[in-house]
Amino acid sequence: ETGVTQTPRHLVMGMTNKKSLKCEQHLGHNAMYWYKQSAKKPLELMFVYNFKEQTENNSVPSRFSPECPNSSHLFLHLHTLQPEDSALYLCASSPGTGRRTFYEQYFGPGTRLTVT
Amino acid sequence: QKEVEQNSGPLSVPEGAIASLNCTYSDRGSQSFFWYRQYSGKSPELIMFIYSNGDKEDGRFTAQLNKASQYVSLLIRDSQPSDSATYLCAVSLPNSNSGYALNFGKGTSLLVTP
Repeated sequence: ETGVTQTPRHLVMGMTNKKSLKCEQHLGHNAMYWYKQSAKKPLELMFVYNFKEQTENNSVPSRFSPECPNSSHLFLHLHTLQPEDSALYLCASSPGTGRRTFYEQYFGPGTRLTVT
Repeated sequence: QKEVEQNSGPLSVPEGAIASLNCTYSDRGSQSFFWYRQYSGKSPELIMFIYSNGDKEDGRFTAQLNKASQYVSLLIRDSQPSDSATYLCAVSLPNSNSGYALNFGKGTSLLVTP
């Protein structure tokens, strides 16, 4: 248990559905991240929030929409997804302070998403 | 494109042996280096971090960093079957333009055989 929780753990959705992934961290961190992990590919950074402000959008399609209402919660809103969006979506958090410790990221368990 | 390279493996070692996992990175400005362990179907777990040249030991794990050669490694002593997993190397991206991101390698699959 890393102190980062994600819900739901598994999600099956059709291409026309709208759903949201939720992440919550209990570590007192200030930075939160969304990653996508597909088979045989490195982890792909999607979004970074630091002190609730988005600091990175790694050329992610607009069908993925992040929301960070506070430093403890992060959402990923999904709509009109494609089958190739099926993957493990991971949330992570890091202290967000300190030149080096900033980057110590702790991951949640992930949401296994299947788009049919 | 900044690269983090790892041999995908699988690396097979017998139980009790030393497993050596290697990683090279392309950005000389990187300052922070991490090793994550990921079991099949699970999320990555941070097991080691190293910031300075040299060795850092934590239990059976030793991380080694050589910034001049842009090389970071992870040694696992007395390997156990429970160490069988994919090991991800991650390197901080040093410039503010890149946000506050880690660049991950594809991972090395380790198999420890009884």
